[in-house]
Amino acid sequence: AQTVTQSQPEMSVQEAETVTLSCTYDTSENNYYLFWYKQPPSRQMILVIRQEAYKQQNATENRFSVNFQKAAKSFSLKISDSQLGDTAMYFCAFMKINDYKLSFGAGTTVTVRA
Amino acid sequence: DAGITQSPRYKITETGRQVTLMCHQTWSHSYMFWYRQDLGHGLRLIYYSAAADITDKGEVPDGYVVSRSKTENFPLTLESATRSQTSVYFCASLAGTGTDTQYFGPGTRLTVL
Repeated sequence: AQTVTQSQPEMSVQEAETVTLSCTYDTSENNYYLFWYKQPPSRQMILVIRQEAYKQQNATENRFSVNFQKAAKSFSLKISDSQLGDTAMYFCAFMKINDYKLSFGAGTTVTVRA
Repeated sequence: DAGITQSPRYKITETGRQVTLMCHQTWSHSYMFWYRQDLGHGLRLIYYSAAADITDKGEVPDGYVVSRSKTENFPLTLESATRSQTSVYFCASLAGTGTDTQYFGPGTRLTVL
């Protein structure tokens, strides 16, 4: 399994502000996918955003965007205009192309304060 | 559109008992996966399957058995449950053929006393 590291166990942010979650990974592969999954208190795993390593452009999904630095093996998630519903655990995950198995980081718990 | 379901959602059992967790998907996805979620470890892959009758070990397979006689079902069996297997278990599926997104079931919380 690839090593995925999320160094921030917990983060807190005021509603409407921005928070950035860090993720680094270790791989010798050149082609792969990176993902951020959200797990709210309901426990359901929800895909937030995905990035193909061969694309230089950073992925964006509404208020969620990533900063993908391939050389540094870094994949951070920025949540803009934080909402109370963003309170959840967020997991960074890695997948080799055509391998289909995910390797997850330990997760970052994000709490949005009213 | 039921998607991917797991049963039971909650299970309490005793050490040494056999337990089977069920996973069913309605999309006819080729790939199915079992993960366990433990604090500090994120999700770790137990077993996966690329198609009916094809299964392979993941990162933490010891103490678990899987089978896949039908494409839509992927049961996970703990043959003799241990306390260290207390966890939340997630099933996931992926279409394969060039796609890359796994879709997760709602999870099963298993407690082994």
